[in-house]
Amino acid sequence: SQTIHQWPATLVQPVGSPLSLECTVEGTSNPNLYWYRQAAGRGLQLLFYSVGIGQISSEVPQNLSASRPQDRQFILSSKKLLLSDSGFYLCAWSVYRGRRVTEAFFGQGTRLTVV
Amino acid sequence: QKEVEQNSGPLSVPEGAIASLNCTYSDRGSQSFFWYRQYSGKSPELIMFIYSNGDKEDGRFTAQLNKASQYVSLLIRDSQPSDSATYLCAVTPRGGTSYGKLTFGQGTILTVHP
Repeated sequence: SQTIHQWPATLVQPVGSPLSLECTVEGTSNPNLYWYRQAAGRGLQLLFYSVGIGQISSEVPQNLSASRPQDRQFILSSKKLLLSDSGFYLCAWSVYRGRRVTEAFFGQGTRLTVV
Repeated sequence: QKEVEQNSGPLSVPEGAIASLNCTYSDRGSQSFFWYRQYSGKSPELIMFIYSNGDKEDGRFTAQLNKASQYVSLLIRDSQPSDSATYLCAVTPRGGTSYGKLTFGQGTILTVHP
């Protein structure tokens, strides 16, 4: 069966510090991978998605970047965190079933607080 | 106009009642529709997906889709206190380039009281 691992679960970082969040998927190959952010009291917003190694698309301009160095590994990074980067970060995956993309399955999330 | 709209609630129902959650979307070409449940501090978990007009039932849950009205709903029968959570409606756009990207509504907070 497929599983998704995301770490760390919580993180408190000072403004201006770097960030690296990692996500790995097991039990499937060539998944679509996504990073979402949920700010306090708000809905989920798609930040990045990837359909293959090295292929990253950004949905919103921001202080963050993403990379996919391996098929089942997705990394979210920042060189200098802002207060507005605080939120609940969620990694997710999906695959194609026929011509349709399946539902997305989410990792456990990382709660980031920038202080 | 928001792409996916939900009543934020909170929606409060007594235990054993039917909870009705609603969602409208603006992209007429949207293809796939999902309902996720999110407990406080946790990640979303999939409840149901629906692709075609009509009803789809899974246990106590029924999803209803009306593409002409751009409306999707979730009914929860015999509501239990454990159903208390935020329910997120999500939609994927039309076409092969959607890559499964989800657009979420703001979520409806459901409280089931004993």
